[in-house]
Amino acid sequence: QSALTQPASVSGSPGQSITISCTGTSSDVGNYNYVSWYQQHPGKAPKLMICDVSKRPSGVSDRFSGSKSGNTASLTISGLQAEDEADYYCCSYAGSKSHNWVFGGGTKLTVL
Amino acid sequence: EVQLVESGGGLVQPGGSLRLSCAASGFTVNNYFMSWVRQAPGKGLEWVSVIFSVGTTYYADSVKGRFSITRDNSKNTLYLQMNSLRAEDTAVYYCSRGTSSGWYGADWGQGTLVTVSS
Repeated sequence: QSALTQPASVSGSPGQSITISCTGTSSDVGNYNYVSWYQQHPGKAPKLMICDVSKRPSGVSDRFSGSKSGNTASLTISGLQAEDEADYYCCSYAGSKSHNWVFGGGTKLTVL
Repeated sequence: EVQLVESGGGLVQPGGSLRLSCAASGFTVNNYFMSWVRQAPGKGLEWVSVIFSVGTTYYADSVKGRFSITRDNSKNTLYLQMNSLRAEDTAVYYCSRGTSSGWYGADWGQGTLVTVSS
């Protein structure tokens, strides 16, 4: 199972909005509404930001939103804040035969 | 409050074995989908294995036949038995709780480092 494709890095200024893409295939992202997004600060465990494509867990800021079109999922962060600077990973369920999950390679968000 | 505490990591020689533990509190392990996810130094996240609430297990191709995920309901603990370890298995290993009907990483432990080296 190949990793999902994310841009290596994105950047934005405080207050701006950014979008991180996550491209898979018709076997994973395109076939299931089981895409999740994680934020990871250096040396810390990942934190769930979005599940099931667009659901925001309790406690996660509404500045974070998720969507999907075809084989590509997206995470949008609006009103960028300094504490949003982190690595972001997407993850998708990858099939009812193998019951695997696949992560993206990760995107480093820099808040300028 | 949900808590996951991993242990058992360390330095092991290539070809060796190690068993990781993930002690859970605040919920019952056998009622949830539980996964192990790893992260090699400076690299991204890699899904390793899952155990469904009904007990079915699945593995990434990279560890199939070498790793085994189990749980002990009496100890409310998740395990990952790792055999025939290779240098490329060097990583921080996280356990993660999903839901009662599927997995996404709703909760994570702090991770335990496994280093495979001679």
